Amino acid sequence: AQTVTQSQPEMSVQEAETVTLSCTYDTSESDYYLFWYKQPPSRQMILVIRQEAYKQQNATENRFSVNFQKAAKSFSLKISDSQLGDAAMYFCAYGGSQGNLIFGKGTKLSVKP
Amino acid sequence: NAGVTQTPKFRILKIGQSMTLQCTQDMNHNYMYWYRQDPGMGLKLIYYSVGAGITDKGEVPNGYNVSRSTTEDFPLRLELAAPSQTSVYFCASSYPDPFYNEQFFGPGTRLTVL
Repeated sequence: AQTVTQSQPEMSVQEAETVTLSCTYDTSESDYYLFWYKQPPSRQMILVIRQEAYKQQNATENRFSVNFQKAAKSFSLKISDSQLGDAAMYFCAYGGSQGNLIFGKGTKLSVKP
Repeated sequence: NAGVTQTPKFRILKIGQSMTLQCTQDMNHNYMYWYRQDPGMGLKLIYYSVGAGITDKGEVPNGYNVSRSTTEDFPLRLELAAPSQTSVYFCASSYPDPFYNEQFFGPGTRLTVL
């Protein structure tokens, strides 16, 4: 069975600085998707970025980028130029074969002004 | 498009009561999911559906039932509420290709069982 591990329960970053959130996963599949979701206090789950496992190039979305290391089964999220609005819970998720998502426990990110 | 809508937003139940959480999507997605999120945890899959009339269990199905009579609706039924079912419930839907995986989430229902 696939598992997702986020080893950082909480992280803090200064506004305008860069922060990296860690995620590791376990799977025996070769093709899959990985995701980072943001959950602000409103509880809404918001897709931040998606990575396709068969693509070697790391995905980027504006200030958000990933470091995808397939052999190491590592999928970290880098947030550049952090903003106050980035404060939220961040969940790493693995895309299962039935289309479902398998989530890590999350990392709570605080942004200091 | 309204996306994925859920009702109610909040609910308090007494032990042993029953209720149905409603979920509707207007994106014509075949795949729909129910997750629960316990405090300090990620989301766990309860049930999912790959199309009208087809449902299957996820990781934590005990105490729940689902049905899928239309593409748009995917209600979740709690028959005998227990304190262990206190959680936030999310409904989600995704594109017809399950491998693509990107899911669209509703706003969630916060359920408390006392």
